[in-house]
Amino acid sequence: SQQGEEDPQALSIQEGENATMNCSYKTSINNLQWYRQNSGRGLVHLILIRSNEREKHSGRLRVTLDTSKKSSSLLITASRAADTASYFCATDKAAGNKLTFGGGTRVLVKP
Amino acid sequence: DGGITQSPKYLFRKEGQNVTLSCEQNLNHDAMYWYRQDPGQGLRLIYYSQIVNDFQKGDIAEGYSVSREKKESFPLTVTSAQKNPTAFYLCASGGGYSTGGKNQPQHFGDGTRLSIL
Repeated sequence: SQQGEEDPQALSIQEGENATMNCSYKTSINNLQWYRQNSGRGLVHLILIRSNEREKHSGRLRVTLDTSKKSSSLLITASRAADTASYFCATDKAAGNKLTFGGGTRVLVKP
Repeated sequence: DGGITQSPKYLFRKEGQNVTLSCEQNLNHDAMYWYRQDPGQGLRLIYYSQIVNDFQKGDIAEGYSVSREKKESFPLTVTSAQKNPTAFYLCASGGGYSTGGKNQPQHFGDGTRLSIL
């Protein structure tokens, strides 16, 4: 079963707008990671947030983590057409770095 | 350049046939992973290997087999026992035991799309 569940499943925005997607999970984690997947390609790692961190930034990306609510959010600011992709959260709940992926949020950025 | 190479990009399987998907990495990672992705879905773990000559079943291992004879290579065989093999298969590598295993991003290849003839 999927540990992480993303919400919404799909998101359509205009270029320049912000995109926010959420991830919920069920059990305690070591860290949570966000990945991007362009159509027909492999996943690309975006950002990792540890269980003792609450917020992390990387360029136009901002990730928050609330372990009490077992949820995380990914914010993409000032979106571009090139941000069109599927975004997945993945949780690492044990040693050995075995990740469990959510179902993803498909983001369409219209020029 | 360092990275992960999957081949072939497209593969067709006949009824009753076993097929093998290749995955090679030059990132010097101990750990390697195989995932299956169905259309519009997330990734499900098939098999993973934390170190050479060792591997473990993931969540959906039935109908698949792997080997890990070299650090750089982790081939996946889709056997005839896998009745619904049509999917996008992704290979990944990560730090593994040498880095303590935790808090390591995974690096992905560009996938192999497998279809039934």
